[in-house]
Amino acid sequence: AQTVTQSQPEMSVQEAETVTLSCTYDTSESDYYLFWYKQPPSRQMILVIRQEAYKQQNATENRFSVNFQKAAKSFSLKISDSQLGDAAMYFCAYRRGYGGSQGNLIFGKGTKLSVKP
Amino acid sequence: EPEVTQTPSHQVTQMGQEVILRCVPISNHLYFYWYRQILGQKVEFLVSFYNNEISEKSEIFDDQFSVERPDGSNFTLKIRSTKLEDSAMYFCASSQQGTGNYGYTFGSGTRLTVV
Repeated sequence: AQTVTQSQPEMSVQEAETVTLSCTYDTSESDYYLFWYKQPPSRQMILVIRQEAYKQQNATENRFSVNFQKAAKSFSLKISDSQLGDAAMYFCAYRRGYGGSQGNLIFGKGTKLSVKP
Repeated sequence: EPEVTQTPSHQVTQMGQEVILRCVPISNHLYFYWYRQILGQKVEFLVSFYNNEISEKSEIFDDQFSVERPDGSNFTLKIRSTKLEDSAMYFCASSQQGTGNYGYTFGSGTRLTVV
């Protein structure tokens, strides 16, 4: 069974600085997708960024980028120029690829990010 | 931007009572999901639904749970006889496709409190 591990329960960053959140996963599949979701205090789940396992190029979305290391099964999220609004719980998630998959997400336990002014 | 709408935002119920959580997925989405998040814990998959039937369910989704798409727009989760441990945030989500890198769109959640 696939698992997702986020080893940092809490992280803190100074406003305007850069922070990296870690995520590792375990799978025997070669085709899959990885996601980072943000959950602010409102508790809504917001998609931040996604990565296809077959793509070597790391995904970027404005201030958010990932470092995808397929061999190491690592998928870290880098937030540049951190803003107060980035303070939230961040969840790493895995989704199986094609081949009869029904596509449910498997989440890590989350990392609570605080941003200091 | 299209949204997934969940009602109510907060529901309090007596243990043993039935509850129905409601969701309106995005109109052109075909795959629907329910997830649960117990306070302070990770988000857990409950069930996926496609073409008017359950396509996958987790071990959490036992006989006390059921889902339905009664009218082509609503997607409901029913808990027949609630237990204290059912207290959690319940998220509905929808997706255009069941696989691939299509991200889900999550609703804002329903906080269920069983007393």
